Amino acid sequence: QVQLVQSGSELKKPGASVKVSCKASGYTFTSYAINWVRQAPGQGLEWMGWITTNTGNPMYAQGFTGRFVFSLDTSVSTAYLQISSLKADDTAIYFCAIDSGSGFHWGQGTLVTVSS
Amino acid sequence: DIQLTQSPSSLSASVGDRVTITCRASQDILTSLNWYQQKPGKAPKLFIYAASSLQGGVPSRFSGSGSGTTFTLTISSLQPEDFATYYCQQAFSARWSFGQGTKVEI
Repeated sequence: QVQLVQSGSELKKPGASVKVSCKASGYTFTSYAINWVRQAPGQGLEWMGWITTNTGNPMYAQGFTGRFVFSLDTSVSTAYLQISSLKADDTAIYFCAIDSGSGFHWGQGTLVTVSS
Repeated sequence: DIQLTQSPSSLSASVGDRVTITCRASQDILTSLNWYQQKPGKAPKLFIYAASSLQGGVPSRFSGSGSGTTFTLTISSLQPEDFATYYCQQAFSARWSFGQGTKVEI
């Protein structure tokens, strides 16, 4: 069955960087784009963009350009979200998700806390 | 980008009540509309896909309807485990978007 397993919670200081991983299993990794979704504390779901897994082309939503980078390691069926120059308002849960055509599948989420 | 407007943003209801949540799209999205339930600290859980199809394992008291720009999620008889936040999502465009959520409270 399709599974997306994300890396664990992170506590970072302002100005630092963080890299969140999303490991896929149960399907051919290069078949479906990986989407990233952010949820700030007490807020709704915000689509950040996606990366195509066959070509590695990222597409970033408005507000997620510059400090946010999507990448892949297809050899281990893993997608990554890297955020640089972290700010307090980057504190959020970050989810990866796919649309497999026959269903929508989500990772469990990774809490990134930015605090001095 | 396609905007989704959900209403109400919150509602108070009692066990056994019938609850309806509405999601309006800024353009025609055919039936490419999903509904999720989310509980605190958890990932969203897909409940309804393609506007009206019930995801496996979801109780039959949940139903979805609509097409084009107006969609509804209905809970026919609210149960204690249904108190949560519900989000609509459009997948008509590869650029996903979500409604702002509806918190269902006791």
